Amino acid sequence: DAGITQSPRHKVTETGTPVTLRCHQTENHRYMYWYRQDPGHGLRLIHYSYGVKDTDKGEVSDGYSVSRSKTEDFLLTLESATSSQTSVYFCAIMASGSTDTQYFGPGTRLTVL
Amino acid sequence: GENVEQHPSTLSVQEGDSAVIKCTYSDSASNYFPWYKQELGKGPQLIIDIRSNVGEKKDQRIAVTLNKTAKHFSLHITETQPEDSAVYFCAASKSSAGNKLTFGGGTRVLVKP
Repeated sequence: DAGITQSPRHKVTETGTPVTLRCHQTENHRYMYWYRQDPGHGLRLIHYSYGVKDTDKGEVSDGYSVSRSKTEDFLLTLESATSSQTSVYFCAIMASGSTDTQYFGPGTRLTVL
Repeated sequence: GENVEQHPSTLSVQEGDSAVIKCTYSDSASNYFPWYKQELGKGPQLIIDIRSNVGEKKDQRIAVTLNKTAKHFSLHITETQPEDSAVYFCAASKSSAGNKLTFGGGTRVLVKP
């Protein structure tokens, strides 16, 4: 699992509440990614980071923000959760020394009621 | 942006038979094509990948082929076993600008004993 942990693993929240998901890695990888997985859509990129305080948007970034204040942590925040953000969220890293290989964490299942 | 189509969405095979999953991509600049296997409740696991300077790659019972002219690539699993039952995803990316993966919709493979 490339030393990736995600927390929490499961969360149920209500519409309109803020939610923060955490991705933690132990191997000093520079690149980190957040994807969401929904039936029939595969995985879609939300945001990614190419270094501390360096982030960029992905395909489905609306309603999400990210922060990376330390190499090992990449946070995904839903400022005001909506039911359409019910999904499984995966963090990934790009292996150091590689130009492309990504490894995924175990995922966080988020339900917004 | 890139668009990846994956077929079939479900595939049922008898143990010992071969399974083939096909993907097409739209961006001719894409140069990296990984395949992931996802078991229930887990994150996607990289099983094989191919780069655009290679036409075919094998790893034991798994092989991937790439046709850059037609912009399609395929996963071949030979001598299928029950433990091959899972959801498989293809993806495509360019090895630049953060290597953002675009995924296909997934194929659920069931290997019947």
